[in-house]
Amino acid sequence: QKEVEQDPGPLSVPEGAIVSLNCTYSNSAFQYFMWYRQYSRKGPELLMYTYSSGNKEDGRFTAQVDKSSKYISLFIRDSQPSDSATYLCAMRQISSGSARQLTFGSGTQLTVLP
Amino acid sequence: GAVVSQHPSWVICKSGTSVKIECRSLDFQATTMFWYRQFPKQSLMLMATSNEGSKATYEQGVEKDKFLINHASLTLSTLTVTSAHPEDSSFYICSAVSGYTDTQYFGPGTRLTVL
Repeated sequence: QKEVEQDPGPLSVPEGAIVSLNCTYSNSAFQYFMWYRQYSRKGPELLMYTYSSGNKEDGRFTAQVDKSSKYISLFIRDSQPSDSATYLCAMRQISSGSARQLTFGSGTQLTVLP
Repeated sequence: GAVVSQHPSWVICKSGTSVKIECRSLDFQATTMFWYRQFPKQSLMLMATSNEGSKATYEQGVEKDKFLINHASLTLSTLTVTSAHPEDSSFYICSAVSGYTDTQYFGPGTRLTVL
C-alpha cells in the first residue's frame, strides 16, 4: 500500500463547476500538507500549504485536512479553463533534515472545459 | 514569492556525453535542495537530497556515480548526468527548501533528450 493515495482521474468538468480533489494517507507522522499544481512540461507550483486540521481558504481554492481520517482535499470554486493541469497532493513530517522530503500522491489530471 | 530557476530548460545531447543542470534559489537561501525525475504522466520520483557543504544522499536505485550532485553554495545546486544514454532522457526537476518558511519550491524543470 502506498503511503499516499490520490484519485488519478482524469477529471473533466465544465467551466464554473466546483472541483474536489482528494488524497488519503496512512502515515500518521505526516503533519504538513501541500497541494501543487503542475502544468504540462513545467515544474510544480505551490498552491496551498497547511499543517492543521480544518479548512484554509485562498481565493477560489480551499484546502481541507482531516487528520483523524487521514484525508485531505482541495476544492476549486468557479473553475476556469486555466485551472486545467495536474494537481499533486504532498505531505511530510515535522522534523527537519531528510524528513523534509515530500511524499507525493500520483496526481490528478484536471480538464476544465469552456 | 520564492523563485527557483533551472538552466537549461531543454537540452539535447549525444549518447556518452555529460550534461550539467543548474538549480538556483533566486531570492532565498536553501540549505537543502532536492532533485527529482519525472516520466510522462507520472508523479515525481525523488532522486537525491542535496545539502549545502556535504555529500548528497541518494535514493535507493539511483546511481550516485552517474548522477553527480554538487551543492556548493546556499543558492546553487548542480546535477551532472555523466555518460548519458537514451534511457536517461526525462524531465528533471529541482526544488529548494526555504529556511524561512520551511517550504519546498520547485524549479521549472529541465527536459533532457539523449540521442
